[in-house]
Amino acid sequence: NAGVTQTPKFQVLKTGQSMTLQCAQDMNHEYMSWYRQDPGMGLRLIHYSVGAGITDQGEVPNGYNVSRSTTEDFPLRLLSAAPSQTSVYFCASRTGARRDTQYFGPGTRLTVL
Amino acid sequence: AQKVTQAQTEISVVEKEDVTLDCVYETRDTTYYLFWYKQPPSGELVFLIRRNSFDEQNEISGRYSWNFQKSTSSFNFTITASQVVDSAVYFCALSETGDTGRRALTFGSGTRLQVQP
Repeated sequence: NAGVTQTPKFQVLKTGQSMTLQCAQDMNHEYMSWYRQDPGMGLRLIHYSVGAGITDQGEVPNGYNVSRSTTEDFPLRLLSAAPSQTSVYFCASRTGARRDTQYFGPGTRLTVL
Repeated sequence: AQKVTQAQTEISVVEKEDVTLDCVYETRDTTYYLFWYKQPPSGELVFLIRRNSFDEQNEISGRYSWNFQKSTSSFNFTITASQVVDSAVYFCALSETGDTGRRALTFGSGTRLQVQP
């Protein structure tokens, strides 16, 4: 199993550009989520999905869109990048069981100029 | 609302010293799960331990041990005989257990541990 994979690893955007951060998992996990990590603030939930076709907002959803057309993939879209979106982005997945552990991808470091 | 507090922003120790990382949490849930993750300089998040709210037994895994005390809402992490490879940022996290399906993790702000040779 590759676990949770994310691409790209690094990205630089200009203000106003759009892009998609890719996330995939091969563990047949129902639950997937996106977090952003900013200095001194831990990780904060952006969006999450409890299964294919079902997504919902987390703590900091503004400026981001998601979709979940398959169990394996959960892309995060930035429609018009802003400098405030400079961050490290982590995708995570887990089974639907309440007790289960979330496993994280390696992260994408995004800089918006 | 849930909250996790890691009051120690940065700790520096010399190799072989013992070090304890503090974690205090707030939740209204009666059933919840607590986690510790390690983030080494390479940036990935490595799962260390999960503890449920019904199990207050201390856990030991090699040089790592965890002390969960429900009465003080604390879940502290001790590294015995620290090594340079333990240098990392350590996050404590609390899992939601509501029926909404959100089940997100609420993270503390992290403690950066520097182990000097």
